[in-house]
Amino acid sequence: AQRVTQPEKLLSVFKGAPVELKCNYSYSGSPELFWYVQYSRQRLQLLLRHISRESIKGFTADLNKGETSFHLKKPFAQEEDSAMYYCALGRGSTLGRLYFGRGTQLTVWP
Amino acid sequence: EPEVTQTPSHQVTQMGQEVILRCVPISNHLYFYWYRQILGQKVEFLVSFYNNEISEKSEIFDDQFSVERPDGSNFTLKIRSTKLEDSAMYFCASIGVLGMPQHFGDGTRLSIL
Repeated sequence: AQRVTQPEKLLSVFKGAPVELKCNYSYSGSPELFWYVQYSRQRLQLLLRHISRESIKGFTADLNKGETSFHLKKPFAQEEDSAMYYCALGRGSTLGRLYFGRGTQLTVWP
Repeated sequence: EPEVTQTPSHQVTQMGQEVILRCVPISNHLYFYWYRQILGQKVEFLVSFYNNEISEKSEIFDDQFSVERPDGSNFTLKIRSTKLEDSAMYFCASIGVLGMPQHFGDGTRLSIL
């Protein structure tokens, strides 16, 4: 069965510190992984997808199939990064449903 | 940038009543989705819709729920005989070009009293 695990419900760091939001998935096929961000009860916005391998707002995420992980990283956190972050899994096609993790609330202190 | 639009932003309804949540997907999109998020829980898939029919639904999407694309622009979620546990944030999403990620609306907060 497909499952996405975000072990940390809350994560706090100080401005300028590195941050890593963990995401592990369970899926026997070829996954598509995404990170969505939700600022202050706004809409879910796509932050990253694994196939694009790009950096958005200084965030990067690498798919590690051996560890079934897709951790989100940023070397220097900013206060405006404070938000809810959701890892999501698609089953090899973005036409299909997404499976979401429970989310990690990131707070960046000044 | 075009957006998925959802109305109303907040709906308060008495238990047992029917509600219709409305979504206007991005205009050239072809695939539509409803998700819900109960307070404090994860975002859960309800249903996907393509070519005027349901393509996939979750175990949550029982006979109480239905979806419709009545006029080529709106995409609606109807919940009949609402229950307290239907209280949640409901998100609509859409995609257009094959292989692109889902775009989400702002959500409708449904409160059942």
